[in-house]
Amino acid sequence: DAGVIQSPRHEVTEMGQEVTLRCKPISGHDYLFWYRQTMMRGLELLIYFNNNVPIDDSGMPEDRFSAKMPNASFSTLKIQPSEPRDSAVYFCASSLRTGGSNEQFFGPGTRLTVL
Amino acid sequence: SQKIEQNSEALNIQEGKTATLTCNYTNYSPAYLQWYRQDPGRGPVFLLLIRENEKEKRKERLKVTFDTTLKQSLFHITASQPADSATYLCALETGGFKTIFGAGTRLFVKA
Repeated sequence: DAGVIQSPRHEVTEMGQEVTLRCKPISGHDYLFWYRQTMMRGLELLIYFNNNVPIDDSGMPEDRFSAKMPNASFSTLKIQPSEPRDSAVYFCASSLRTGGSNEQFFGPGTRLTVL
Repeated sequence: SQKIEQNSEALNIQEGKTATLTCNYTNYSPAYLQWYRQDPGRGPVFLLLIRENEKEKRKERLKVTFDTTLKQSLFHITASQPADSATYLCALETGGFKTIFGAGTRLFVKA
């Protein structure tokens, strides 16, 4: 398996534009997580899905952020409109819940810069 | 409020020594505690998981302890090598499989 795949790897956009980040989890995994990482706030959980259903979106900063998982092999995180304070590295991770373990496999991340 | 603290932002040690990293938490009762390694420009990589009823877990040169009374986990790397230089994150699993990460400790191992 190629691991968790994220695209794009880098995104530079202007304030007010819509940004869509994409994630392909590891095949067979039943959990998918979206995180945001900044120097100031570290790694923050935004939202996670179980079997394509959003379970907890309490970490989503505001209504400008939305996430979907239309099927088991694809998820998107959308920011509309984007703002400079959204600049961060966004990670997608997936896991297979067996034996109580929640070992998460992270993708390489998308570095977002909003000008 | 719930909080996870990892000791010091950076830890510098000499090659061959044992590195000890600390993770303290408050207002959680986690079922599991995990440690991840993160290299610059990459996503975190899972290293070890320890359950609340386990005192210690080992994997090669790595050792993790978990004291639910002290609300603390210690992460040890024995016989450290320059290749161990990275940021190490502890993570707690709260209810519903939600995972909260600490800010991380950067480890520098000098040859």
